[in-house]
Amino acid sequence: GESVGLHLPTLSVQEGDNSIINCAYSNSASDYFIWYKQESGKGPQFIIDIRSNMDKRQGQRVTVLLNKTVKHLSLQIAATQPGDSAVYFCAVARDTGFQKLVFGTGTRLLVSP
Amino acid sequence: DTEVTQTPKHLVMGMTNKKSLKCEQHMGHRAMYWYKQKAKKPPELMFVYSYEKLSINESVPSRFSPECPNSSLLNLHLHALQPEDSALYLCASSLPKLDTQYFGPGTRLTVL
Repeated sequence: GESVGLHLPTLSVQEGDNSIINCAYSNSASDYFIWYKQESGKGPQFIIDIRSNMDKRQGQRVTVLLNKTVKHLSLQIAATQPGDSAVYFCAVARDTGFQKLVFGTGTRLLVSP
Repeated sequence: DTEVTQTPKHLVMGMTNKKSLKCEQHMGHRAMYWYKQKAKKPPELMFVYSYEKLSINESVPSRFSPECPNSSLLNLHLHALQPEDSALYLCASSLPKLDTQYFGPGTRLTVL
């Protein structure tokens, strides 16, 4: 089976800093990787995804990096803002079992002004 | 539009009650999901419907009964729940292939 872990339960940064949240996965057959942001009392909100045929993908202020050699995924947030404060989950899936997203334990990002 | 809606937002029920949670999406997604999320934990998959047929049941107790009446709607019928079933219940939908799952805001359920 798959297991997914995040390196830090909590990350505290100052407003304007860049944030990096890391995630490790166990199954080298994983094909799809996704980051969600969850604010208190709300459902997970899609941030960015990446497939196994890519190493890097950029969105607005966010970048996801995938290192398949060491089975490591990271989310970089540029110029972090107080509104970025939330819990961030990575999740992985395989093409043959696409319906089963396996979630990591989550990292709480705290942004202070 | 990537919106999944869920009703009600909050639900309080006794252990002998019967209630239902509802989920709706109009993105044309043919895969729909129920997750349960306890405080400070990641979402846990409960059920998956693909083309309106139940394709995954993660050994969920029978007091939770899912239903997919059409391609846009997903229900979760609740009966004789226990206090430990109190949680945030999330609905999600996606294309029926390896692609993004979009989540609704959830129903906060409290069982007394």
